[in-house]
Amino acid sequence: DAGITQSPRHKVTETGTPVTLRCHQTENHRYMYWYRQDPGHGLRLIHYSYGVKDTDKGEVSDGYSVSRSKTEDFLLTLESATSSQTSVYFCAIRGTGGLYEQYFGPGTRLTVT
Amino acid sequence: GDSVTQMEGPVTLSEEAFLTINCTYTATGYPSLFWYVQYPGEGLQLLLKATKADDKGSNKGFEATYRKETTSFHLEKGSVQVSDSAVYFCALHSGAGSYQLTFGKGTKLSVIP
Repeated sequence: DAGITQSPRHKVTETGTPVTLRCHQTENHRYMYWYRQDPGHGLRLIHYSYGVKDTDKGEVSDGYSVSRSKTEDFLLTLESATSSQTSVYFCAIRGTGGLYEQYFGPGTRLTVT
Repeated sequence: GDSVTQMEGPVTLSEEAFLTINCTYTATGYPSLFWYVQYPGEGLQLLLKATKADDKGSNKGFEATYRKETTSFHLEKGSVQVSDSAVYFCALHSGAGSYQLTFGKGTKLSVIP
């Protein structure tokens, strides 16, 4: 258990509204990731962070921004939610054992109506 | 670029049957290889891992052997249970300098009594 929590766990929002998802970890892991999971697409990387204020884009970053102002929190923001962003969002951290494995949070189910 | 190919699902087996889920990969260098399992409504959990050729990862009765000559990492279990019903993901990390895991699209396994 890597001590990862995500909030909220479920959210329904309307098209055009801003949404922020939070990932919190308790073990000072340097690397954190945001993925989305959709049927037929598997897991796709949105953004990742390799330290406080150090972030970079993944393969599906359009329409998303992230922030990391402290080690334990990694925020994902949808500036203006669209129906195509309806998905399950997972946060992950990279383990520190040198094998590059990742450990995942429980996910947030987001529905944009 | 790196890629992971898993056998298409869904896979349906009777309890106590033998399981094989095929995974092949393309990567530069010497990747680390992983299997993850996702139970309904949950995040991905690391099931097993292998870091070099001929390594065998094992956990909870599941095994996979890193085969460099065939670029494969097939998941096996000798006798599946209903509780093994889940989605299984093969993944790789291509080593130092890479921030990301590359995932296969997942294989859904259903085990019937």
